Amino acid sequence: QQQVKQSPQSLIVQKGGISIINCAYENTAFDYFPWYQQFPGKGPALLIAIRPDVSEKKEGRFTISFNKSAKQFSLHIMDSQPGDSATYFCAASPPGTASKLTFGTGTRLQVTL
Amino acid sequence: SAVISQKPSRDICQRGTSLTIQCQVDSQVTMMFWYRQQPGQSLTLIATANQGSEATYESGFVIDKFPISRPNLTFSTLTVSNMSPEDSSIYLCSVGQVLPGGYTFGSGTRLTVV
Repeated sequence: QQQVKQSPQSLIVQKGGISIINCAYENTAFDYFPWYQQFPGKGPALLIAIRPDVSEKKEGRFTISFNKSAKQFSLHIMDSQPGDSATYFCAASPPGTASKLTFGTGTRLQVTL
Repeated sequence: SAVISQKPSRDICQRGTSLTIQCQVDSQVTMMFWYRQQPGQSLTLIATANQGSEATYESGFVIDKFPISRPNLTFSTLTVSNMSPEDSSIYLCSVGQVLPGGYTFGSGTRLTVV
């Protein structure tokens, strides 16, 4: 079954703290794992993505950690800022140029002052 | 990455009526995707729209309820037919591919059925 499980459902972090969101997948055929950020009234925007041939990818304050054997991946937001307050979705897709994305259930992040 | 214009941005409709949502892309794309996002929920793929062929629907979605047109490589429409309050959702179109740039989403159409 092509499911992606995401936790926590919501998260409150103080400004400057680290936000961590976790996802687990079942389908071992998945080979592309993006994270999307969605602000209210907007469509999701690609934040960062990883392929299973690497265990970590960092772009600025955002890092994906990937554990292929455990079929888990996580998003770390370092030095979290109030502007990071949004809903975050992990996703996964199988091989193929235009493969369908399966989304996680979403995490609502609130960064407080 | 592609820029997507989606219309309308929101609408309030009477039950039993239909609404057509438009998705315009600033570049030619092979595949376009239509998603539904119910309030506070994740995104669920409705169908994949290919130019020149019938759309491919996901389990639980049927053409009679969600007819899709794809007349060219930059445009698609999704119609929500015979609406009921359960159809109240955000509908999003998306284009792109896994690599190099990933998928781009429109801003969505927030539909309320009363």
